[in-house]
Amino acid sequence: QVQLQESGPGLVKPSQTLSLTCTVSGGSISSGDFYWSWIRQYPGKGLEWIGYISHSGRTYYIPSLRSRVTISLDTSKNHFSLKLSSVTAADTAVYFCASGYSYGYGLCFESWGQGTLVTVSS
Amino acid sequence: IQMTQSPSSLSASVGDRVTITCRASQSVGSYLNWYQQKPGEAPKFLIYGASFLQSGVPSRFSGSGSGTDFTLTISSLQPEDFATYFCQQSYSTPYSFGQGTKLEIK
Repeated sequence: QVQLQESGPGLVKPSQTLSLTCTVSGGSISSGDFYWSWIRQYPGKGLEWIGYISHSGRTYYIPSLRSRVTISLDTSKNHFSLKLSSVTAADTAVYFCASGYSYGYGLCFESWGQGTLVTVSS
Repeated sequence: IQMTQSPSSLSASVGDRVTITCRASQSVGSYLNWYQQKPGEAPKFLIYGASFLQSGVPSRFSGSGSGTDFTLTISSLQPEDFATYFCQQSYSTPYSFGQGTKLEIK
């Protein structure tokens, strides 16, 4: 299984852009097997899948965030990134990156990073 | 698709058999996955396709169901099983999770 590690600022001011990177080890981000995903967990513990990017650069974003989110790949560094613009306090959460994989029953999230807490506050 | 788990929390003892339920707001076939999360850790992937154990997951875990109603059963609770469990539908985007069931020691 691949290993994933998130990095980025833990504090972002309201209206600014949240930027996180997920470094992948133990496998190539160019592998066609995975859909590289971001998932967040609110302080109340609910999980929300944000979206994914495939090895070919195809993306999917959830409708509620589609106007503010971008997920991108950097194959030279074997990492992928999340940008979320115009953040508010409602975006405060632990952000996880994960490898989405299909065993024939849609995407499951097989490996996860350890998570990084991002707080939106002035 | 909205996923609803019950109960939200559950107290049990080591050795008990426990069952957690997940209900989908519409049919998801067998496109249902389960995860375990311990405090301060990332979720751990347990079961895919409603009933298939991920490699390395102990056989005391089992999943069943199809359509809208699913269960996760732990046949004999071990100390390391006390955690929060989440279901996730992978039938259609946006993929969605249940709110979690916290399994506590009685």
